[in-house]
Amino acid sequence: NAGVTQTPKFQVLKTGQSMTLQCAQDMNHNSMYWYRQDPGMGLRLIYYSASEGTTDKGEVPNGYNVSRLNKREFSLRLESAAPSQTSVYFCASSRDSAGYTFGSGTRLTVV
Amino acid sequence: QKEVEQNSGPLSVPEGAIASLNCTYSDRGSQSFFWYRQYSGKSPELIMSIYSNGDKEDGRFTAQLNKASQYVSLLIRDSQPSDSATYLCAVKGSGATNKLIFGTGTLLAVQP
Repeated sequence: NAGVTQTPKFQVLKTGQSMTLQCAQDMNHNSMYWYRQDPGMGLRLIYYSASEGTTDKGEVPNGYNVSRLNKREFSLRLESAAPSQTSVYFCASSRDSAGYTFGSGTRLTVV
Repeated sequence: QKEVEQNSGPLSVPEGAIASLNCTYSDRGSQSFFWYRQYSGKSPELIMSIYSNGDKEDGRFTAQLNKASQYVSLLIRDSQPSDSATYLCAVKGSGATNKLIFGTGTLLAVQP
């Protein structure tokens, strides 16, 4: 039982490059989320998807786009990476009002 | 005012003592409350959930909720060095979605 799988685990990008962070869950959860975690700032919601086919902005959506490809997969895209997007990114999923299950995270550095 | 507030710590306790972690929240309509443990370099792990006023115990962990005071706490009894981690408080607001608001976490250090 894999839970929530994120790829890649580490990535270094140059300013202006693009990339997609992948996330997949095998728990049949309806809701999926993307957070970023920065020192002193805690976990901040970038985008979420309450169900397949829907996405909504969170607290810090600028510079990101998402796709809920199907019930299992929720990807996060950086179209033109900036140093301010250097962070640790976590994908999570949940069923109803239960707590989240997090993926292992992606450490992204933009130089 | 942040929606979920925690003291960043570090909170240092000796091995075997009780560690008390506190969290306040601003949305009076919040219904679901969670505590996560996050080891350095790892992802958050759910350790407790609480939905109604009072205490909820699970092994060495006790979550306490007081909705009137908008206050959630986590007690860790018989603290062990392996409990050293950052503890994140998370609150589901009164809206229709399941999204959680996280505090910035309290760093707990258990001294052997």
